[in-house]
Amino acid sequence: ILNVEQSPQSLHVQEGDSTNFTCSFPSSNFYALHWYRWETAKSPEALFVMTLNGDEKKKGRISATLNTKEGYSYLYIKGSQPEDSATYLCAGGSNYKLTFGKGTLLTVNP
Amino acid sequence: GAGVSQSPSNKVTEKGKDVELRCDPISGHTALYWYRQSLGQGLEFLIYFQGNSAPDKSGLPSDRFSAERTGGSVSTLTIQRTQQEDSAVYLCASSLFGTEGGYTFGSGTRLTVV
Repeated sequence: ILNVEQSPQSLHVQEGDSTNFTCSFPSSNFYALHWYRWETAKSPEALFVMTLNGDEKKKGRISATLNTKEGYSYLYIKGSQPEDSATYLCAGGSNYKLTFGKGTLLTVNP
Repeated sequence: GAGVSQSPSNKVTEKGKDVELRCDPISGHTALYWYRQSLGQGLEFLIYFQGNSAPDKSGLPSDRFSAERTGGSVSTLTIQRTQQEDSAVYLCASSLFGTEGGYTFGSGTRLTVV
């Protein structure tokens, strides 16, 4: 069973702050690492799918890095806005099934 | 359809009753997944359908849980004799094939067993 850990569990920041959080996973038998954003009362939305060590992906103010050798990925949000408030989930697994972490709940205060 | 559709969005049921949750995936997506999130927990894998292959049922927590996917499209998750620990948000997701490219999730069914 793949063990995916996320930290912190929750985070409060002020509008305009930049922030980051961590996903750790077993480095052996790595296949891919996914990030999702889950806003309250909405569907989880795919942000990034990362497969290569050293990968860095960006989508607007959000970016992610991947280190498969040490088993971690960081998600960065630059200049946080209230609409960034959501639970950010990471997931690892095989080509057919993902194991999710418990998520980081981000609250951005205006 | 344009997205993954789940119904009902909310369901309150009495302990011991059976419930059916429905998922209508994106047309053409061969893979369909059911996950659930209980309070304070991560998303827990329940079952995976891929095309006409036998489903991976390894995540179903007990024999009270079953799922089917008819015609490679709509899926129904059935929970028999519901228990309070079944209370959770049940999410369905689909993808073109497996995990590549990520999942498209539905908005979930919040099940409350009282």
